[in-house]
Amino acid sequence: GQQLNQSPQSMFIQEGEDVSMNCTSSSIFNTWLWYKQDPGEGPVLLIALYKAGELTSNGRLTAQFGITRKDSFLNISASIPSDVGIYFCAGRETSGSRLTFGEGTQLTVNP
Amino acid sequence: GAVVSQHPSWVICKSGTSVKIECRSLDFQATTMFWYRQFPKQSLMLMATSNEGSKATYEQGVEKDKFLINHASLTLSTLTVTSAHPEDSSFYICSASATSVLRETQYFGPGTRLLVL
Repeated sequence: GQQLNQSPQSMFIQEGEDVSMNCTSSSIFNTWLWYKQDPGEGPVLLIALYKAGELTSNGRLTAQFGITRKDSFLNISASIPSDVGIYFCAGRETSGSRLTFGEGTQLTVNP
Repeated sequence: GAVVSQHPSWVICKSGTSVKIECRSLDFQATTMFWYRQFPKQSLMLMATSNEGSKATYEQGVEKDKFLINHASLTLSTLTVTSAHPEDSSFYICSASATSVLRETQYFGPGTRLLVL
């Protein structure tokens, strides 16, 4: 199926640094979702975006729904060791349709 | 709110046996649930969409007779891996769709690790 282009694939940062990752698509989406997955666990919803231009925060996390509706980014500020994991973006083209997932960004935070 | 559970969390079985995995939405009703499969270091691969009271919709390449899906109620969907073989070993994750004020979000279960010997 269709895949989103998520970048970077992996990141190695120091504790306290800010992190940014993004997803782009050739299709227009009406929903962008950002998930975090820890090893051996299911993805946990971090932020949901439903409107072009929407900027939403959840603690140290901030995500935006791109104006073109074909991209979204996730920022993590002042990273901490527990931020380690795989972050997935997911988009939906129309209501009720399946989610399309990015390939994930593996984040490693060095104390 | 929006909690999805899966049972069992892991299972080991012999080749040729069948395994049933349950997915429950604990605090909301989900007319639509999804079943994914995930291989190590890869993204989630959608296997099928499960709609309450109707037949599941399978993705291309997924054998419907191999992976039986039943969505008998608004809070429960089951995936049965029939005559499991070692190549069926994987991490299976379900999700449930929750809609509020025309906003649809998917919440995932914790996953089920299947090992077929």
